[in-house]
Amino acid sequence: GAVVSQHPSWVICKSGTSVKIECRSLDFQATTMFWYRQFPKQSLMLMATSNEGSKATYEQGVEKDKFLINHASLTLSTLTVTSAHPEDSSFYICSAPNRALSPYEQYFGPGTRLTVT
Amino acid sequence: SQQGEEDPQALSIQEGENATMNCSYKTSINNLQWYRQNSGRGLVHLILIRSNEREKHSGRLRVTLDTSKKSSSLLITASRAADTASYFCATDSQGGSEKLVFGKGTKLTVNP
Repeated sequence: GAVVSQHPSWVICKSGTSVKIECRSLDFQATTMFWYRQFPKQSLMLMATSNEGSKATYEQGVEKDKFLINHASLTLSTLTVTSAHPEDSSFYICSAPNRALSPYEQYFGPGTRLTVT
Repeated sequence: SQQGEEDPQALSIQEGENATMNCSYKTSINNLQWYRQNSGRGLVHLILIRSNEREKHSGRLRVTLDTSKKSSSLLITASRAADTASYFCATDSQGGSEKLVFGKGTKLTVNP
């Protein structure tokens, strides 16, 4: 199989604080992971590509200093939302391909709902 | 940029009926995938169709791909209440890249 977990599943924080979200591949190694955000009733928008052992690649319009990504091991990527504001409230989802199973299919975590008050 | 556009945005049917969702995209692709998302959850992969395939089946799912029209359809036959979810198409953004570009999705409601 290919299971991806996220922690926490939901978090409420105050404006100006930072929040860290973890994405783990539980039964496979993931040299690459992807981070998406999804606003209510909308689709997923790719934020960045997390690469194990190197810098993340951010999509156009995504502030890399605000959304810090660290992919320190083959099974863990973290997304830190720094100095969070209410407009950062969203559903954050990570995914990873399991290249041993399929070169194209992505395995998604269950998502993290962030609410900034 | 978003390249997939699903149609319709919302679909409500009765159990046992078939549900058809359409997706259009703008650039050349290597493959197109369909994913399902239950409310407030992550996505689950349903089916992948390669650019050189025209039709693919998996259980009650049937996917077609028309690369000349840059469109795909997902048919769910004999729908069940448990099929209620949002369905997204996703394409690889730049030939061979693992990055996926998602469509806007179709919210399917199957009424018992």
